[in-house]
Amino acid sequence: AQKVTQAQTEISVVEKEDVTLDCVYETRDTTYYLFWYKQPPSGELVFLIRRNSFDEQNEISGRYSWNFQKSTSSFNFTITASQVVDSAVYFCALSNFNKFYFGSGTKLNVKP
Amino acid sequence: GAVVSQHPSWVICKSGTSVKIECRSLDFQATTMFWYRQFPKQSLMLMATSNEGSKATYEQGVEKDKFLINHASLTLSTLTVTSAHPEDSSFYICSARAEAPTGNTEAFFGQGTRLTVV
Repeated sequence: AQKVTQAQTEISVVEKEDVTLDCVYETRDTTYYLFWYKQPPSGELVFLIRRNSFDEQNEISGRYSWNFQKSTSSFNFTITASQVVDSAVYFCALSNFNKFYFGSGTKLNVKP
Repeated sequence: GAVVSQHPSWVICKSGTSVKIECRSLDFQATTMFWYRQFPKQSLMLMATSNEGSKATYEQGVEKDKFLINHASLTLSTLTVTSAHPEDSSFYICSARAEAPTGNTEAFFGQGTRLTVV
């Protein structure tokens, strides 16, 4: 069975703080994809990153970075020097043949 | 990335009426589309998988007679909420699968439709 767990329901930080959003997944598949999406109050899903199960290289994109560790089945997301515009709900997702399994989401509040 | 357009973005309807939501892949052909539902402050849950020219596959617990899905062409899938009730109020998002240049498939999401049944 596929499962994604985001244990942090809500996180509040002050602007310029670093914050890490945790994601743990379960799957029996050897080939799969992991994603992070941002969902602002307007509702649309904003794609942030896609990782396949064979690529454990960490990735940095501006203030965003991702740490993928197959050994612990984790795919954590760090925002460096957070900004108020980062406030949103962030979803981690696992995909197999493009059927997505979403975590419950982490609401990030960045206060000025 | 590829563009998936959903229409309408929001809709308010009276209890007992039916509402149709469209999902279009604008610049690619999508043999498979997916429909998700998101209750307030909750995660997205897959409702059904829609394949062009065939019947949709519904997830367990989703009423196929209530949520009618039609995928008549490679660029359009529709979700019709029949005899809507207030408990059907939710955010509905579609996703379309496309072939990526790498040969792998990728999925792209529509912007979602907020349905309110009064």
